[in-house]
Amino acid sequence: IAGITQAPTSQILAAGRRMTLRCTQDMRHNAMYWYRQDLGLGLRLIHYSNTAGTTGKGEVPDGYSVSRANTDDFPLTLASAVPSQTSVYFCASSESSGGEFNEQFFGPGTRLTVL
Amino acid sequence: GQNIDQPTEMTATEGAIVQINCTYQTSGFNGLFWYQQHAGEAPTFLSYNVLDGLEEKGRFSSFLSRSKGYSYLLLKELQMKDSASYLCAALDSNYQLIWGAGTKLIIKP
Repeated sequence: IAGITQAPTSQILAAGRRMTLRCTQDMRHNAMYWYRQDLGLGLRLIHYSNTAGTTGKGEVPDGYSVSRANTDDFPLTLASAVPSQTSVYFCASSESSGGEFNEQFFGPGTRLTVL
Repeated sequence: GQNIDQPTEMTATEGAIVQINCTYQTSGFNGLFWYQQHAGEAPTFLSYNVLDGLEEKGRFSSFLSRSKGYSYLLLKELQMKDSASYLCAALDSNYQLIWGAGTKLIIKP
């Protein structure tokens, strides 16, 4: 593993199904983030974690949950998917949340379609 | 509320210079980032400014005026590979990044 990886690359999901998007980084970064990116809108923060064992809500957290059991992994779960959750999801990490150390490194993204 | 404004789209010619502007309104301020995002790919870091002034990095420079809530990204000697979206993001008092919608830059030969 080099950097930050996400799985799956893409997924088509039936509405009402549960789905977990995986994210792993090998840079020993303290902070990790989940964003969604929709056409015409900026990246919107879903949840974040400043360090292992802690998580926080971002701008659009409803319908999503996260956990941070260790430094490397930060999975995002959709408990019961709805069509409005169709989006491209990016996981990112940074050395920390402060100032220049907030330079974020992004995974390749997961393209999710909910039908 | 918190807000980032940048133009939706710009067009420039190969070899020329282009300036992409960004204005921001955030609760507190801990720096301004610029990212580049090619179509279908993830954003990648370009620059970080926290003090007023110009930071130069090769063909790319970034400027910040904290008093005006304004930044710009200057791209010189444009190349076709510079065709991408450029994202402006401000770090607020809670150390969360507030993102603009991005400026799609189209380079013509």
